Amino acid sequence: AQSVTQLDSQVPVFEEAPVELRCNYSSSVSVYLFWYVQYPNQGLQLLLKYLSGSTLVKGINGFEAEFNKSQTSFHLRKPSVHISDTAEYFCAVRKIGTGGGNKLTFGTGTQLKVEL
Amino acid sequence: DAGVIQSPRHEVTEMGQEVTLRCKPISGHNSLFWYRQTMMRGLELLIYFNNNVPIDDSGMPEDRFSAKMPNASFSTLKIQPSEPRDSAVYFCATSGTGGGETQYFGPGTRLLVL
Repeated sequence: AQSVTQLDSQVPVFEEAPVELRCNYSSSVSVYLFWYVQYPNQGLQLLLKYLSGSTLVKGINGFEAEFNKSQTSFHLRKPSVHISDTAEYFCAVRKIGTGGGNKLTFGTGTQLKVEL
Repeated sequence: DAGVIQSPRHEVTEMGQEVTLRCKPISGHNSLFWYRQTMMRGLELLIYFNNNVPIDDSGMPEDRFSAKMPNASFSTLKIQPSEPRDSAVYFCATSGTGGGETQYFGPGTRLLVL
């Protein structure tokens, strides 16, 4: 089975500062990796995903993440945050090569709060 | 594309009543997922379907919960009888069946059981 750990439940940061949201996963097989964002009172939407190739993945709204296989991590970064980035961020994994659908295992989420 | 459509958006009911949540997937998506989100338990996968067939219902909390997908355009999640601890936001998400397919979430149904 897979598991995802997001150690930081909340991350406060000032506007225009850089931010890193940490994600570590555990899996006995290779995985695909995802970051989703949830704005207040909305469903989750995809920020970015790593399937293969370059380990640095760029997503929407200026976010990027780097897949590190040796450290089993997929940390999310943004060099300069904006107030509008205040939201909850979820890391998720999916096993490669299984049939029967596209089941994701989600982390517990990190609440990013951007302050003026 | 209208995205994943869920109805109702809000539901307030009394304990013991039957609740039915509805989901219309994005056209062409073969996988459908029902999630529940609460402050205490976070985001939980309840059940998912592939090509209208339930694949994994291990997350369904108990027999009071049931889900159906009679065709590729519609799914329901039913709670009967409802209890206050069922109060949560219920999300439907759909995707294609390729390995790296993105799951697209609906706006959710906010359920309050009094």
